[in-house]
Amino acid sequence: EDKVVQSPLSLVVHEGDTVTLNCSYEVTNFRSLLWYKQEKKAPTFLFMLTSSGIEKKSGRLSSILDKKELSSILNITATQTGDSAIYLCAVDQAGTALIFGKGTTLSVSS
Amino acid sequence: DTEVTQTPKHLVMGMTNKKSLKCEQHMGHRAMYWYKQKAKKPPELMFVYSYEKLSINESVPSRFSPECPNSSLLNLHLHALQPEDSALYLCASSRGQGNEQFFGPGTRLTVL
Repeated sequence: EDKVVQSPLSLVVHEGDTVTLNCSYEVTNFRSLLWYKQEKKAPTFLFMLTSSGIEKKSGRLSSILDKKELSSILNITATQTGDSAIYLCAVDQAGTALIFGKGTTLSVSS
Repeated sequence: DTEVTQTPKHLVMGMTNKKSLKCEQHMGHRAMYWYKQKAKKPPELMFVYSYEKLSINESVPSRFSPECPNSSLLNLHLHALQPEDSALYLCASSRGQGNEQFFGPGTRLTVL
């Protein structure tokens, strides 16, 4: 059965800390892995990863895919309270459907 | 225009009502999606339209009926829903299937 597993499920950190969120997958016909941030409403797109070992970066966020290990990490440096959200990892299966993990709930305290 | 819009934001309906959810995008995307998200759960795919044709129906009950009148618009017609259908209904679009999906703000549906 296809699955996407995220860890940890929840995380509480202090402002300024660096966090690493993990996503592992077992999905047939893998095409890409995507990260989304969800606050109170819709998920907002962060990164799409297709190639192994190439880091994508946007400000304090970065992500990398390891196709050999079937996993990806999302790093957030110098966390701020505005980073508090649910971070969703999703795998695109053969360009058809997104299979989502359960998400990691990140809480950043000031 | 770089966003996906959804109306209404909130909807409360009885089990005998008929209502519709609307989704619109003007980014020229050719794939559009409906997802259902229950509290504290990830989104679950319901339907995929590609070039205005239904390409995926994830075994969704017939009380949910999607419609894609044109490349910018996606509707979800609701009839005889159950209380367990209460959820956040998210619409998304992408350039094509396999490209990154952009989500609308969702419609919070409550079925009484």
